Amino acid sequence: NAGVTQTPKFQVLKTGQSMTLQCAQDMNHNSMYWYRQDPGMGLRLIYYSASEGTTDKGEVPNGYNVSRLNKREFSLRLESAAPSQTSVYFCASSQGRSSYEQYFGPGTRLTVT
Amino acid sequence: AQSVTQLGSHVSVSEGALVLLRCNYSSSVPPYLFWYVQYPNQGLQLLLKYTSAATLVKGINGFEAEFKKSETSFHLTKPSAHMSDAAEYFCAVSAMDTGRRALTFGSGTRLQVQP
Repeated sequence: NAGVTQTPKFQVLKTGQSMTLQCAQDMNHNSMYWYRQDPGMGLRLIYYSASEGTTDKGEVPNGYNVSRLNKREFSLRLESAAPSQTSVYFCASSQGRSSYEQYFGPGTRLTVT
Repeated sequence: AQSVTQLGSHVSVSEGALVLLRCNYSSSVPPYLFWYVQYPNQGLQLLLKYTSAATLVKGINGFEAEFKKSETSFHLTKPSAHMSDAAEYFCAVSAMDTGRRALTFGSGTRLQVQP
């Protein structure tokens, strides 16, 4: 039981390049989330998916798109990376319904030059 | 809307001393409250959670937190700090009426434990 996995662990992009961050969970959770973590700002919600087939914007969605591929997988895409998107990205999942507890992946450290 | 304020971005204690990390929340509806810990270069791990049952919540590694509605607080404590407690701690709130159940995080408190 791996929990929440994320790939890649590290990535360096040039401004304007695109990439997709992958996330998968094996806990049969309904809800999945993407956060970014910046120094002194805690974690901020980018997008979430309450259940398979649904996605919705969070606090800081600009410059990102997501896909809930199936119940297990939730990807985050940067179409045209900008230096302001340099951050650590965390994927999380939760059972949803009556459970608010979220389980986090190990993170992807992204640098945009 | 909901929000979390963590007082003190850095806290330093001596090994064996009391740990107190402060968290105040704002929520228009009854909240669920969480404390997470993040060790260097790792993801977040749940320490404990309050979900409207007992107001004193015990978590892992000897940590506990008390929900005080009148003070809108959920401070994290540990009687005796250990070197391994050095990490960053995040308080988070989730309002029970929101369909998305996403967490709103505080800005974090970095705990340093001195030998």
